[in-house]
Amino acid sequence: EAAVTQSPRNKVAVTGGKVTLSCNQTNNHNNMYWYRQDTGHGLRLIHYSYGAGSTEKGDIPDGYKASRPSQENFSLILELATPSQTSVYFCASGRDRGPVSNERLFFGHGTKLSVL
Amino acid sequence: GDSVIQMQGQVTLSENDFLFINCTYSTTGYPTLFWYVQYSGEGPQLLLQVTTANNKGSSRGFEATYDKGTTSFHLQKTSVQEIDSAVYYCAMRDAPQVVGQLTFGSGTRLQVYA
Repeated sequence: EAAVTQSPRNKVAVTGGKVTLSCNQTNNHNNMYWYRQDTGHGLRLIHYSYGAGSTEKGDIPDGYKASRPSQENFSLILELATPSQTSVYFCASGRDRGPVSNERLFFGHGTKLSVL
Repeated sequence: GDSVIQMQGQVTLSENDFLFINCTYSTTGYPTLFWYVQYSGEGPQLLLQVTTANNKGSSRGFEATYDKGTTSFHLQKTSVQEIDSAVYYCAMRDAPQVVGQLTFGSGTRLQVYA
């Protein structure tokens, strides 16, 4: 079974501090994604990546940076955390566009971030 | 822009009841539509996907169809069980978007009582 692991599972940060959320996948998927989940909004795409060295902006990239140093690892970076970034963050991996039956995303268990 | 609307925030049923959850979508393209399910403490996982309007997708007793005429997409199950209690998200990918660039609805929390 495909595996996506996120760390930490829970994080408390102070306003203005730097936060790094990490994600590791063992699926050998080229594509990786960062979503945030908020009540009333569902999941919204922050950044994604096509492979090592690639990062692309999603629908709500402001205030976030991403880094993909290798096929397996994809990080989300909050340089100056704000209380509005308090949320649950999900990392996911998936194959490239191909047969539509391969569009399944594999999500991690999430990171709950509280910015005080 | 693209949007997905789930009006039912919470649905409460008893075991063996019929489940129907509806979504409406808005896009200028030809979308692929998905239902994801999220169990407590876990990340979302794909339940089923429908690529072509008026086609059906089915998985684990759930069935979904989408109607291009009414731009609606629904999920149904004839007889729910307590283990089906979870949050259900409909999601859409418009044709030109990359795989994984999904627009999600706000989710429907299903609670099934024995």
